[in-house]
Amino acid sequence: DGGITQSPKYLFRKEGQNVTLSCEQNLNHDAMYWYRQDPGQGLRLIYYSQIVNDFQKGDIAEGYSVSREKKESFPLTVTSAQKNPTAFYLCASSLQGGGYEQYFGPGTRLTVT
Amino acid sequence: KNEVEQSPQNLTAQEGEFITINCSYSVGISALHWLQQHPGGGIVSLFMLSSGKKKHGRLIATINIQEKHSSLHITASHPRDSAVYICAVRYRGNEKLTFGTGTRLTIIP
Repeated sequence: DGGITQSPKYLFRKEGQNVTLSCEQNLNHDAMYWYRQDPGQGLRLIYYSQIVNDFQKGDIAEGYSVSREKKESFPLTVTSAQKNPTAFYLCASSLQGGGYEQYFGPGTRLTVT
Repeated sequence: KNEVEQSPQNLTAQEGEFITINCSYSVGISALHWLQQHPGGGIVSLFMLSSGKKKHGRLIATINIQEKHSSLHITASHPRDSAVYICAVRYRGNEKLTFGTGTRLTIIP
């Protein structure tokens, strides 16, 4: 079945550690996105990529890094520089950027203590 | 600042009731999306529309471009419709989506 997978579902880390969240899609989509969701707030865009080997910062990129070495994969690293990393992280993809429907993964809940 | 406002924030209804969730935005858009987020956290896209009305099963989405307003209706609501419904818009000239904070719907059997 085609879709987007994120792993793990739950992730726990100690403060000061970098952590990488996985996102894989087999939909043959060009564009991929990372969002952060906090209670009472709308989803906020961290990074997006419209093509392999290229990505752009979203609204809250500070403390995060990404790579897009393969079309299928868009991993997100939460670095120790991110001041409030505990959140629910959602990955999405679309056929192309802009006006196409986005398909979301199941999300990863990251807790940093 | 381009924003998306949803109302109500929370809605509890009895099974079978007709449900309406509202979304308003501030300036011209290219498209509006309605999304559904279940308790587990995964998000499903319900509709993407730029004008008029779309229907899928018991769900209907409408948009009024002049009034900058969209509604999501659920007919014959069922407990399995309980979820958070999120409105998102793509403002003209912007590649990114702007999301509302969501409406938490609870349908009581």
